[in-house]
Amino acid sequence: EPEVTQTPSHQVTQMGQEVILRCVPISNHLYFYWYRQILGQKVEFLVSFYNNEISEKSEIFDDQFSVERPDGSNFTLKIRSTKLEDSAMYFCASLRAGVDNEQFFGPGTRLTVL
Amino acid sequence: LAKTTQPISMDSYEGQEVNITCSHNNIATNDYITWYQQFPSQGPRFIIQGYKTKVKNEVASLFIPADRKSSTLSLPRVSLSDTAVYYCLVGDLSGGYNKLIFGAGTRLAVHP
Repeated sequence: EPEVTQTPSHQVTQMGQEVILRCVPISNHLYFYWYRQILGQKVEFLVSFYNNEISEKSEIFDDQFSVERPDGSNFTLKIRSTKLEDSAMYFCASLRAGVDNEQFFGPGTRLTVL
Repeated sequence: LAKTTQPISMDSYEGQEVNITCSHNNIATNDYITWYQQFPSQGPRFIIQGYKTKVKNEVASLFIPADRKSSTLSLPRVSLSDTAVYYCLVGDLSGGYNKLIFGAGTRLAVHP
């Protein structure tokens, strides 16, 4: 069964550093998302992406965040200057649409900012 | 988006049927009801989705009364591996790409 993959599984970085989290969505999916989950808290929407542009973003997704689909397969989330409070699990999801609107989530990247 | 209310936690034993009820009094006409499951340190996983009456798949059943102000996820004969957080989400899917808004979910613990 096709699945969403994410790399790395765990990223440790120093405050102020830039990080790039990578995702490979399911190949025939058209909509892409990033969510995050701070330890012990609920899953929060960050951004949705369709047709090579951002469809919607949350208040969390400020100027420090950016997304890109550099080629036909990868979907990346960049945090320009990490803060301690960016420590969380980051989940990528993709959706084919037109079927049952099921979003398929990746296994997540655990980001730890020191 | 309709606000949802579900129990914070539930306990069950292996082999039992588990029913998790979600209240969504302000559900709108175009809203669908979707349930996701999340295991520790994993991404959420779609379980089932419905609009009204009953929906069934190989994993669960979803019961939605006529007024649609609540819904019940039913897991038949749970096993230890069903220990997870279960989220009820309500939203309009007509846009096709709508974000998912997760609440706190119901933490189900299945005991031997």
